[in-house]
Amino acid sequence: SQQGEEDPQALSIQEGENATMNCSYKTSINNLQWYRQNSGRGLVHLILIRSNEREKHSGRLRVTLDTSKKSSSLLITASRAADTASYFCATDGGGSYIPTFGRGTSLIVHP
Amino acid sequence: NAGVTQTPKFQVLKTGQSMTLQCAQDMNHNSMYWYRQDPGMGLRLIYYSASEGTTDKGEVPNGYNVSRLNKREFSLRLESAAPSQTSVYFCASSEGTVPIGGKNIQYFGAGTRLSVL
Repeated sequence: SQQGEEDPQALSIQEGENATMNCSYKTSINNLQWYRQNSGRGLVHLILIRSNEREKHSGRLRVTLDTSKKSSSLLITASRAADTASYFCATDGGGSYIPTFGRGTSLIVHP
Repeated sequence: NAGVTQTPKFQVLKTGQSMTLQCAQDMNHNSMYWYRQDPGMGLRLIYYSASEGTTDKGEVPNGYNVSRLNKREFSLRLESAAPSQTSVYFCASSEGTVPIGGKNIQYFGAGTRLSVL
């Protein structure tokens, strides 16, 4: 069963806009990761945030983590058509090192 | 450096046929995984191998078997394929078995698209 659940399921924006997607989870975690999946391809790791971190940046990506609310958000700034993909959060914790993936957010960026 | 390589990329089977999906990684990773991805279901773990010589069931192991042939290779076998096993199968690997220092970041292959008729 999924630990993380992404919201929204689908997001459609124009190039240049910011895209925000959220992930909620149910039990305590060690880490939360975000992955991207382009159509017909495997998942690619984007960023990992530890449970004792609140915010992390990587290029145009900004991830926040609120452990009190058991939620995380992924912000992609100045979106490009190439950012069109599905985005998944994955959490590990409760004694398991294997990340559990959510169902993903499908992002479409229109040029 | 190829990363994680899966073969075949596509496969069509008839109900009851058997097949083996192959996976190899060249990153000297200890842990390897098999997932299936179905529309609306996200990724579900079938089996994993924490280290060479060990395998464990994941969330949806029924109808599958695995073999960790060596540190590089981890195969998934369908003994008697069923239409419910129509899916996209992904192999992944990670450096280690502890969620510290990014050791459990997963690296994925491109997937095998399997149809069972």
